[in-house]
Amino acid sequence: AQSVAQPEDQVNVAEGNPLTVKCTYSVSGNPYLFWYVQYPNRGLQFLLKYITGDNLVKGSYGFEAEFNKSQTSFHLKKPSALVSDSALYFCAVGLYNFNKFYFGSGTKLNVKP
Amino acid sequence: DGGITQSPKYLFRKEGQNVTLSCEQNLNHDAMYWYRQDPGQGLRLIYYSQIVNDFQKGDIAEGYSVSREKKESFPLTVTSAQKNPTAFYLCASSVGQGGGNTEAFFGQGTRLTVV
Repeated sequence: AQSVAQPEDQVNVAEGNPLTVKCTYSVSGNPYLFWYVQYPNRGLQFLLKYITGDNLVKGSYGFEAEFNKSQTSFHLKKPSALVSDSALYFCAVGLYNFNKFYFGSGTKLNVKP
Repeated sequence: DGGITQSPKYLFRKEGQNVTLSCEQNLNHDAMYWYRQDPGQGLRLIYYSQIVNDFQKGDIAEGYSVSREKKESFPLTVTSAQKNPTAFYLCASSVGQGGGNTEAFFGQGTRLTVV
């Protein structure tokens, strides 16, 4: 079965410090991996994706993510957190032959001034 | 502006009543999706459609119905058979060609409350 796990319900970080939001996945075949951000009472916004190629993917708002095939992980990172980064973050996986996405349970990021 | 529009933003349903949530997109996307979001449970797939006049059940389709008569529209009906419909509902679309390697675009959501 396909699945995505976000092991942390919440991540707290001080403004200016680096942040990491973790994601691991389990799929058959090669995965397509995505990160989305959600602000309160809003839809999800796309941040970045890994399809193939370079394992380090850069996306919107200074975020990046590293695909690690051996550890089946796709952690989201940012070198210097902003208070405005505080939101709910979702990792998702797409299947190579099917238009269907599986989402993790979400991680709430709190960036304190 | 290109995008995906959900309406209404807030919806109240009485016990035993059917309600329909609207989802329209002008992105020319083939694939459309409905997700339900509950606190702490992430997004769960209700129904999805890869092409006009075709749709498939997701993981939690019981108590819901959809139609896809036009490429732009994918309305979701929450029927009286859905025993716990209070949730935040999200509609999304994607290009739909080549499998799940293109990102989804989401609407702003409809918050449904049973009164």
